[in-house]
Amino acid sequence: SQKIEQNSEALNIQEGKTATLTCNYTNYSPAYLQWYRQDPGRGPVFLLLIRENEKEKRRERLKVTFDTTLKQSLFHITASQPADSATYLCALALTRSGAGSYQLTFGKGTKLSVIP
Amino acid sequence: GAGVSQSPRYKVAKRGQDVALRCDPISGHVSLFWYQQALGQGPEFLTYFQNEAQLDKSGLPSDRFFAERPEGSVSTLKIQRTQQEDSAVYLCASSQWDRANPYEQYFGPGTRLTVT
Repeated sequence: SQKIEQNSEALNIQEGKTATLTCNYTNYSPAYLQWYRQDPGRGPVFLLLIRENEKEKRRERLKVTFDTTLKQSLFHITASQPADSATYLCALALTRSGAGSYQLTFGKGTKLSVIP
Repeated sequence: GAGVSQSPRYKVAKRGQDVALRCDPISGHVSLFWYQQALGQGPEFLTYFQNEAQLDKSGLPSDRFFAERPEGSVSTLKIQRTQQEDSAVYLCASSQWDRANPYEQYFGPGTRLTVT
C-alpha cells in the first residue's frame, strides 16, 4: 500500500540547534516533493519544492534533500528559533495524467517546538 | 485579493443538515483544490478544478459531497445530510502555473465544520 510517514509526531529542540525532520514514502513515484508549515488555526504555507532530479534545495535557513532511491526527504532548519515552532507537513505531488490534474498527498506532519 | 479566503470560518451543523462552504481563490489562479483535514492529520485531497472544469473528484468521500466553480473563480463545497464523521477542517487552495514552482499551492484558513 502507499504510505507517507513523517518520522515523529513531535520534535523538541533547543534554540540555535538544527532541526531535522524526515519524510519517508513507499509505493509512490512523485514528480515533486514539497514542505509546508502549518500554524494552529491556519492553512498550510508553502516553504520549499524539490524536483525528483534535484538532490538539495535551500532557502535562507531551510534546506531540503530528496533521495528517490531511499524514498526519503530530509528537511533542516538551521539556527532554529522559537518562531519556527509549528507543524511541518511533507507533501508528494503526484501527476495524474488521466485526469489532467495533479494532487498533493500529505503526511501527518511533525510538530516542532523550539525551546528558548 | 491578497490571499485565499474562506467562509464561514466556523460552522456548526446538526446531523442531517446541508452545509455550503465558500472559497475565494487568489485572483487569476486557474487551479483550485479542496482538502479535508481531520484533527492531528495532514490534509486529504477531495477535488480539483481547472477554471470551471472539475477534472478530479476522486477524493470526495461520498455522493453527499458536491463541489462547483461555475465561473472559474469562486468555488462552493456542499455537503448534504451531514454526518458526525464529516466534522473536520475544510481547506481550499489555489495555484497558478509558474515555471519556477509549478505546484506551489496557496491555502486559505479553512472552515472548521462541527456536526452535532
